[in-house]
Amino acid sequence: QVQLVESGGGVVQPGRSLRLSCAASGFTFRSYGMHWVRQAPGRGLEWVAVISYDGSSNKYYADSVKGRFTVSRDNSKNTLYLQMNSLRAEDTAVYYCAKPLNVAGIHLDYFDYWGQGTLVTVSS
Amino acid sequence: EIVLTQSPATLSLSPGERATLSCRASQSVSTFLAWYQQKPGQAPRLLIYDASNRATGIPARFSGSGSGTDFTLTISSLEPEDFAVYYCQQRSNWWTFGQGTKVEIK
Repeated sequence: QVQLVESGGGVVQPGRSLRLSCAASGFTFRSYGMHWVRQAPGRGLEWVAVISYDGSSNKYYADSVKGRFTVSRDNSKNTLYLQMNSLRAEDTAVYYCAKPLNVAGIHLDYFDYWGQGTLVTVSS
Repeated sequence: EIVLTQSPATLSLSPGERATLSCRASQSVSTFLAWYQQKPGQAPRLLIYDASNRATGIPARFSGSGSGTDFTLTISSLEPEDFAVYYCQQRSNWWTFGQGTKVEIK
């Protein structure tokens, strides 16, 4: 069965860095582009970043994190990462990794599996 | 950026009633729209994709319709477990979510 397990969250001061990890299992990780989505406390969902299946072709970011966050992956370890630098109070959120839906072999960027999320709190 | 606007913000209904949720896009997304359900403390759950296709394991009481800029999620008869927050999401141009509609018990 598909599992996504995030880790690395915690409390961090403004301006500092944090790296999140997402360990994937139960599917062919290296074949899927993967996404990060976040949710501030009591708020809605915000797409954060995406990385192509091979990690080298394409990486895209929301304007709110561009230049500060970097998405990467290690397909040998079935793990997705999010390096977050220059953190701000408004980055406080639960961060989810999410897998695209596979319909008849076509990967659609809707998310059929999500991790449990990891909470990042940016506060002095 | 395509903005998705959901209405109403809150829907107060009783079990057994019909729920109709709306999602309006700031520009056409064709049928590249999904609906999710989220309960407190849980990750979102995919209900509907490409506007009208139910995801695996989703009960038939959930249905989606629409195209272009106007979309609807209908829950034909609310079960107790359906009271939750619902989000729409588009994949036509980057990826954005609506702000959510809370379906609460009246």
